[in-house]
Amino acid sequence: DAMVIQNPRYQVTQFGKPVTLSCSQTLNHNVMYWYQQKSSQAPKLLFHYYDKDFNNEADTPDNFQSRRPNTSFCFLDIRSPGLGDAAMYLCATSRDRTTTYEQYFGPGTRLTVT
Amino acid sequence: SQQGEEDPQALSIQEGENATMNCSYKTSINNLQWYRQNSGRGLVHLILIRSNEREKHSGRLRVTLDTSKKSSSLLITASRAADTASYFCATDGGSNYKLTFGKGTLLTVNP
Repeated sequence: DAMVIQNPRYQVTQFGKPVTLSCSQTLNHNVMYWYQQKSSQAPKLLFHYYDKDFNNEADTPDNFQSRRPNTSFCFLDIRSPGLGDAAMYLCATSRDRTTTYEQYFGPGTRLTVT
Repeated sequence: SQQGEEDPQALSIQEGENATMNCSYKTSINNLQWYRQNSGRGLVHLILIRSNEREKHSGRLRVTLDTSKKSSSLLITASRAADTASYFCATDGGSNYKLTFGKGTLLTVNP
C-alpha cells in the first residue's frame, strides 16, 4: 500500500537538460516537501507546499522549481541541471505543517547528471 | 545552525547488543524526531518527542531528551541485522513547522 510514490526511481539527465521528478500521495496530506540528499549527508529541505501555498527555502537555487497541480501530486523541476545537482531527491508529506506531525517519505529519485 | 548532529557517525555492533546514538542541537526546540533510512531508500519515522517530555518508548526503541543539554539519545535494544540503517535526528529549531536533519549515524548490525 504505497503512500508516497516517486517516479522515476532513477533518472539520468544531461548537463543543462531540464528534468522533472514527480511525487504522488494517497494520504490526502496538506503538506508536501522536497528534500535534496547528497551522499552521506543530511536531507536538505528545498521547499514545501502547504496546500497551494508555496514556501521556498532561502538558500534553494533558482534552478529548482516546483508545482503542485492538486493535493495528490507535486513536481520538482530542475531547469538546467549541473553536475552538483546529482543527488537523491526525497518527497515527503505531512498532515499539517507543524512539527508535531511526522513526515512520510517516498523512496526517493536518484538523479545522475552526465 | 539549528541542525542536529548525531554521534557517532558510524557504529558497528553484533546482533543482540544494544545500540545508542546521540543527537546534539544548538537552538531551542518544540519537538525532536528520529528517522531511519535504509540504504538508498526514503526515511521512515521512528518516534517524536516533545520538548516537555524526557523519555519515550516504542517497542525496542527508547528515546530520551535533555533540553538543558540540548541533546537526545536513541537506544535500540536487542538489535537485529534488519536494524542496519542510517538514523537521523530532526529538530525544528523552535520554528514549529520545518525540520532540519542531522547527518545521521550509520548503524551496522552484524549477524
